Parts: sequence; structure tokens; C-alpha cells
Amino acid sequence: KQEVTQIPAALSVPEGENLVLNCSFTDSAIYNLQWFRQDPGKGLTSLLLIQSSQREQTSGRLNASLDKSSGRSTLYIAASQPGDSATYLCAVNTSGSRLTFGEGTQLTVNP
Amino acid sequence: DTAVSQTPKYLVTQMGNDKSIKCEQNLGHDTMYWYKQDSKKFLKIMFSYNNKELIINETVPNRFSPKSPDKAHLNLHINSLELGDSAVYFCASSQGTGHTEAFFGQGTRLTVV
Repeated sequence: KQEVTQIPAALSVPEGENLVLNCSFTDSAIYNLQWFRQDPGKGLTSLLLIQSSQREQTSGRLNASLDKSSGRSTLYIAASQPGDSATYLCAVNTSGSRLTFGEGTQLTVNP
Repeated sequence: DTAVSQTPKYLVTQMGNDKSIKCEQNLGHDTMYWYKQDSKKFLKIMFSYNNKELIINETVPNRFSPKSPDKAHLNLHINSLELGDSAVYFCASSQGTGHTEAFFGQGTRLTVV
């Protein structure tokens, strides 16, 4: 059974700092890994999708890496801004028809 | 245009009632899902449909019955609502069940009183 863990559970940083969010999963036989952002009371916004054959994906100030063999992914946020404050969720697609989510990292970027 | 839309956004109802949540996607996807986010914000899959056929039922009580009239719609009907059903329910869709990106709706916050 796939289990996904995200560390840290919460993170508070000053504006402008570069930061790394961590995600680990127990079953390396994955189709892909997806990073989402969730704002309070809102839905999930897809940030980056990394296929199992890829090592990383970039979108603007976001960079996600995937090390399938070790069961790890990181989300790197460069030059953080207050608008980046949200909960970041990592989800792994293992069986092809479901996503297994981590519990999220709640990020606060202080002006 | 909203890609995955759910109605209603908020639903407050009494124990024992029956309620439905509707979901529609305009992305042309053939796979749709229902996820539940509990009070601890943990998201877990409930159902998955591919081409209107149920492919995942994640040990959800029989009181929950999804219905997919066509590939663009996946509705969730809940009978005899209980306090523990209070949660945020998310609909999602993807093209196929393999290597594709999933898109989520804005969620329906269900409160059972």
C-alpha cells in the first residue's frame, strides 16, 4: 500500500527566501507524481506533474525533482513571496487510477 | 471557463437526510474521481470512473452512491447522512488512468448537523 509523507508539516519563512518542500513515498512503482497548491477554503491547483521517467520539471519559480528509486520528490520555490502562502500537497499516482496524497506542508511567507 | 465544476459549494443538512453533489468537467476527459478531505485536511480517494464504468470503490459505505450519466458528469448521492460525513468532497478528472495530470474542482463543503 502506497504511503506518502510530507516534511515539514508547516513552514514559515521571510519573503525572498528560497525553500524546499519534501515528499517521500513507499512504493517506487509509480506512474507520476503531482504537486498541488491549496489555498484556504479553495480547491486544488495543479503546479507540476513529473512522469516516472523524468527527473525534474520547472514552472516559473517552481522546480520539482523526482528520485523514484529512493522514493523522494522535492519542490523548490525560489524567491518566495507572500502570495505563495498556501498548503502544498504531493500526490503519487501508483495504480494508474488514483492519487495517494501526503498530508501537506502549510507554507507561510511573511512580508 | 471552469474546467471541473461542482455544485453546490456549501451544503448544510441534518442527520438522516439524503443529498447529492454534482460534478461536471469540460476537459473532454474520460476518467472522473471523488475524493474526500477530512477535518485534518487529509485527501483520500472514494471512487474512480473510467468511461462511465466504476473502477475504484475505496471501501466507501453503501450510503454513498456515485452516478455517471455520461463521461462529463459524475454525481455523488449520499443517503442517511451522518455527522461523520462532514468533510470537503472534491471531484477530479483526468484523461485516461495512467500518466496524465489530474484536475480538481473547487470542492463541496458538507456539514451535517
